[in-house]
Amino acid sequence: DQQVKQNSPSLSVQEGRISILNCDYTNSMFDYFLWYKKYPAEGPTFLISISSIKDKNEDGRFTVFLNKSAKHLSLHIVPSQPGDSAVYFCAASAGANSKLTFGKGITLSVRP
Amino acid sequence: ETGVTQSPTHLIKTRGQQVTLRCSSQSGHNTVSWYQQALGQGPQFIFQYYREEENGRGNFPPRFSGLQFPNYSSELNVNALELDDSALYLCASSFGTGWETQYFGPGTRLLVL
Repeated sequence: DQQVKQNSPSLSVQEGRISILNCDYTNSMFDYFLWYKKYPAEGPTFLISISSIKDKNEDGRFTVFLNKSAKHLSLHIVPSQPGDSAVYFCAASAGANSKLTFGKGITLSVRP
Repeated sequence: ETGVTQSPTHLIKTRGQQVTLRCSSQSGHNTVSWYQQALGQGPQFIFQYYREEENGRGNFPPRFSGLQFPNYSSELNVNALELDDSALYLCASSFGTGWETQYFGPGTRLLVL
């Protein structure tokens, strides 16, 4: 039973354009969401997070949007750069200290 | 400041054997979490240790056990290995139990034959 779903396995965008990575969840108890980025042969690194009391959080080129009614969140990267090419994981927790549930990940390729 | 390190990087075991994976936390961190990442899947939370005590566990059987030492390094032990245990095992350390502050190691790739 996948509670965090990243239905598109891959995404390819042109350098300078916007990348939109989507994530859906089924557990209505989730109230804290995070995005991680993972390069090959490295562990995931934290990118950005959002609490369920907000609908948007921005950090430089990265913005996460949360639509609680649709149980959907998205990560926007503007402008996309070749160094953004990596696997992106969406993760969620029900409470700040409860276990983290990850999606399968999306492979983003940014073409020069 | 050293990052999170894991050993070994790769390991091959046979079904039924036991394995111990090791994780050295980043300096100053008192919490370690372990994850299993099967091929094509996201990381799955195994358990977390905070100040040497287990502080939460995912849906893994008791043959997955852990330990955190006074220097906050950690071990993951898996008994009676099964073929499905083949995966990348990640550890992450943090100061406190917040998810944003956890730093992941590069992982140990375990293959069970």
